[in-house]
Amino acid sequence: DIQMTQSPPSLSASLGDKVTITCQASQNINKYIAWYQQKPGKAPRQLIRYTSTLVSGTPSRFSGSGSGRDYSFSISNVESEDIASYYCLQYDNLPYTFGAGTKLELK
Amino acid sequence: EVKLQQSGDELVRPGASVKMSCKASGYTFTDYAMHWVKQSPGQGLEWIGTIIPLIDTTSYNQKFKGKATLTADKSSNTAYMELSRLTSEDSAVYYCAMGQLDFDYWGQGVMVTVSS
Repeated sequence: DIQMTQSPPSLSASLGDKVTITCQASQNINKYIAWYQQKPGKAPRQLIRYTSTLVSGTPSRFSGSGSGRDYSFSISNVESEDIASYYCLQYDNLPYTFGAGTKLELK
Repeated sequence: EVKLQQSGDELVRPGASVKMSCKASGYTFTDYAMHWVKQSPGQGLEWIGTIIPLIDTTSYNQKFKGKATLTADKSSNTAYMELSRLTSEDSAVYYCAMGQLDFDYWGQGVMVTVSS
């Protein structure tokens, strides 16, 4: 199974900050990584697919990059509505595996 | 608009089974896979398995083989997941999610509570 090591587990930011979350795969995942946002009591919502493609409705302040084993997800100009948990998902190989998540809080 | 409407929350006894549904609308049901994901209380996300309704093919996470059974009814655009021999470890929220490879849209989740 491919392990996805996501960091940091939690993040504290002020409004307007830029924050970055990373996911490192245990092997090359050929850019097949997606990023999800989850607010308390809600289902995850896809933000980015295939490393850097923003899905419809995702604000442009969100971005993704990476290749091989190493990937990152950023939010520039954090807004209050971005307070949530974020997860990466590798879908290069079965079993699909998620990162452990990053909880973004307001400083 | 893509919508996945999941069945209601369940309270079940240890050792019992539960079958939940995920009714799809707003897209062609057979054009996409349906994935199922477990989220234990306060925990992260685990992929359970995937069904491709067009050809009724399933793939399972080894961890959930024997625990979960995925089916799909093309006539009603509904996917099902049955969980068997439930224990407290199965208490969680279960989501369905559609997509070709990744998980594009998610249902609202079903909370399963296993308790006597």
